[in-house]
Amino acid sequence: EPEVTQTPSHQVTQMGQEVILRCVPISNHLYFYWYRQILGQKVEFLVSFYNNEISEKSEIFDDQFSVERPDGSNFTLKIRSTKLEDSAMYFCASSEAPPTSGRPLFFGPGTRLTVL
Amino acid sequence: RKEVEQDPGPFNVPEGATVAFNCTYSNSASQSFFWYRQDCRKEPKLLMSVYSSGNEDGRFTAQLNRASQYISLLIRDSKLSDSATYLCVVTLNTGFQKLVFGTGTRLLVSP
Repeated sequence: EPEVTQTPSHQVTQMGQEVILRCVPISNHLYFYWYRQILGQKVEFLVSFYNNEISEKSEIFDDQFSVERPDGSNFTLKIRSTKLEDSAMYFCASSEAPPTSGRPLFFGPGTRLTVL
Repeated sequence: RKEVEQDPGPFNVPEGATVAFNCTYSNSASQSFFWYRQDCRKEPKLLMSVYSSGNEDGRFTAQLNRASQYISLLIRDSKLSDSATYLCVVTLNTGFQKLVFGTGTRLLVSP
């Protein structure tokens, strides 16, 4: 069964450093997403990406965040200057069609980001 | 009012029990509805989509009441492996690609 993969599984970084989280979505999916979950809290939307551009972003997704699909398979989230409050589990997801069409999202196993 | 509200639980039930979870959502124009399950420190995994007429998948039954803005999940004959957090998830009409998650309801099934 195809699945979303993410690397690394755990990233530890110093405050102010840049991090890049990597994802390989399911191959025939066209819509890509990043969500995050702070420990003990709910899953929160960050950004959606379709046709090589951002289609929607949340207020969390400020100028410190960027996304890229550098080739036909990878989808990355970059945090330019990490803050302590960026510590969270970051989930990549993909879908065949927008969720309002009734198609679900499939999530990767996540990258646990720890900012010291 | 929160966009998606769930009773956080935990619900402690014995194996074989039937348990029901409820969820309410605030946006009357919400279009799609899902139940996901999440194991501790793992990713959300799709349990089932929720259709207007209600739907069943094995031991799991989901119901949607658009008039009351209410979604339910019924689990029959609970198994130990059903222990997890169950996430109610909806889409909003304001952003066509955004899922909104509830905080989840924790289920503990004991022998």
